[in-house]
Amino acid sequence: QVQLVESGGGVVQPGGSLRLSCAASGFTFSSYGMHWVRQAPGKGLEWVAFIRYDGSNKYYADSVKGRFTISRDNSKNTLYLQMNSLRAEDTAVYYCAKDHVVVPAADAFDIWGQGTMVTVSS
Amino acid sequence: AIQLTQSPSSLSASVGDRVTITCRASQGISSALAWYQQKPGKAPKLLIYDASSLESGVPSRFSGSGSGTDFTLTISSLQPEDFATYYCQQFNSYPPFTFGPGTKVDIK
Repeated sequence: QVQLVESGGGVVQPGGSLRLSCAASGFTFSSYGMHWVRQAPGKGLEWVAFIRYDGSNKYYADSVKGRFTISRDNSKNTLYLQMNSLRAEDTAVYYCAKDHVVVPAADAFDIWGQGTMVTVSS
Repeated sequence: AIQLTQSPSSLSASVGDRVTITCRASQGISSALAWYQQKPGKAPKLLIYDASSLESGVPSRFSGSGSGTDFTLTISSLQPEDFATYYCQQFNSYPPFTFGPGTKVDIK
């Protein structure tokens, strides 16, 4: 079945780094744009980053620009989020999500992973 | 960046009630809006895309309408499994792919 499984979350000190992974299965991963979305404890959803199906285009939320890097390995059906210079306000559950359609542009996120918790604390 | 507001922020309703949630965009977004349902401790689930298209497998009691700046999600007859938080999200102008702040639907 179509599935996304995140991993790599944990506890990290402020200023530290962490790399999240999202393993995809059940669909042609290399055909779809992918996103990271986060949710701080008790708060709403915040879009974090997007990468085009072929990795040629990337977008970031202003809150993470310059600190986070999204990437993908289509040969491994895996999405990544490299998070550097982490701050307390980055504490959240991080979800990966798949674009609903292949082309021409995103219109929804139709498949979500179960999420992985990142806690930034000393 | 486009901002989304939702009203109400929370509501209490009974099983069988008709429930309407509103999402308003800070500028026109055509019909580029999606709705999600999220239950505690779970990932969001896509309900509606393109403002009014029902995602496959989603019960027909859910419907969406609107275009431009004003949108609604309607649950025609609230079921016990519908108690959750609902979010809208815009896809007209990005980045960012903005989410609304959410509407929590709980049991009266």
